[in-house]
Amino acid sequence: NAGVTQTPKFQVLKTGQSMTLQCAQDMNHNSMYWYRQDPGMGLRLIYYSASEGTTDKGEVPNGYNVSRLNKREFSLRLESAAPSQTSVYFCASSEWAARPSSYEQYFGPGTRLTVT
Amino acid sequence: EDQVTQSPEALRLQEGESSSLNCSYTVSGLRGLFWYRQDPGKGPEFLFTLYSAGEEKEKERLKATLTKKESFLHITAPKPEDSATYLCAVGSGANSKLTFGKGITLSVRP
Repeated sequence: NAGVTQTPKFQVLKTGQSMTLQCAQDMNHNSMYWYRQDPGMGLRLIYYSASEGTTDKGEVPNGYNVSRLNKREFSLRLESAAPSQTSVYFCASSEWAARPSSYEQYFGPGTRLTVT
Repeated sequence: EDQVTQSPEALRLQEGESSSLNCSYTVSGLRGLFWYRQDPGKGPEFLFTLYSAGEEKEKERLKATLTKKESFLHITAPKPEDSATYLCAVGSGANSKLTFGKGITLSVRP
């Protein structure tokens, strides 16, 4: 099993450009998440999808959109990138809906995004 | 709103020098407390889940404990390969979201 995979690993954008970060998991998990990690700020939740067909805002959703394409895939889109979106982005998945008493999240390797 | 505070922010230990990392939390209805390890340039790696006060879990040199207000990650006789950032997170309520602390960066000198 590959676990959680993310593409691309690195990306440099100019202000105003758009891009989509891709995430896929092969653990048959119901729930998926997008986080950003900045120095001194810890991991902050951008959006999450508790189950296929649903998405909800997290702590810092402004400037982002998401799509839960199917049970395996959850993408994050930046429509008009800004320097404040320079960060490391992590995707994660968990089995929450099936076993709510045990819902540790498993993370991908991250995408390092720089917006100039 | 759930809150997680980890201390200290950074910890430097000599190889073999045992210590503890602290995670204080405030939640309304704890469903689980999670510890993760993160190496530079990598995603967080799951270590433990604790569900109720008094619970303990161990893995090699690591032991996690939980009270009603805080969790400790005890590191016994650490080795340089234990150097990493350790993250604590809590889950509560009826959704699947986790709230993370800012992490503790541990350095173990040989």
